Amino acid sequence: DAGVTQSPTHLIKTRGQHVTLRCSPISGHKSVSWYQQVLGQGPQFIFQYYEKEERGRGNFPDRFSARQFPNYSSELNVNALLLGDSALYLCASTGHDYGYTFGSGTRLTVV
Amino acid sequence: KNEVEQSPQNLTAQEGEFITINCSYSVGISALHWLQQHPGGGIVSLFMLSSGKKKHGRLIATINIQEKHSSLHITASHPRDSAVYICAVRGPNTGNQFYFGTGTSLTVIP
Repeated sequence: DAGVTQSPTHLIKTRGQHVTLRCSPISGHKSVSWYQQVLGQGPQFIFQYYEKEERGRGNFPDRFSARQFPNYSSELNVNALLLGDSALYLCASTGHDYGYTFGSGTRLTVV
Repeated sequence: KNEVEQSPQNLTAQEGEFITINCSYSVGISALHWLQQHPGGGIVSLFMLSSGKKKHGRLIATINIQEKHSSLHITASHPRDSAVYICAVRGPNTGNQFYFGTGTSLTVIP
């Protein structure tokens, strides 16, 4: 059984551009959460989705948005990229047992 | 102030040493997780604790709910244990989302 898969693994964008990151949860998991991890810090919560509905939002600007699809995969979108958005973006999926499984992340570099 | 504090930030040990990493938190929680992150970035969940103690191989995790403190112990450490270990908590006071510590970077020298 595949774990949580994220794509792409690495990405370089320029300031002002838009980016879409993707996450496929473990089969059977209906909840997906997104986290941002800046170098040297712990991850920070961005969004949680459950059954296609937003269930939680962290302290991030409106440039960050997300959605969840009927197959429970999710996209994280960031508009008007800033240098400070450079980070590792992690996706985690959760099943009914509340166990969390993390993906390997997408490393975004904004230049 | 971070809701989750870890110590030490960095730790270097000789192979075979007993290692302890500490985590203190300030919010009410339903569970505490110990996570391992390797240089590539991917995170592996080691333990999920709500009380007491858990053991998996050479790893032991304990939690004291009253004192809001948890420890991760590694017995007979090995170079392959080198990684960043992150403490994360979640619960009704966190909107059921994780609050993460900044991690403890462990290097085990052969």
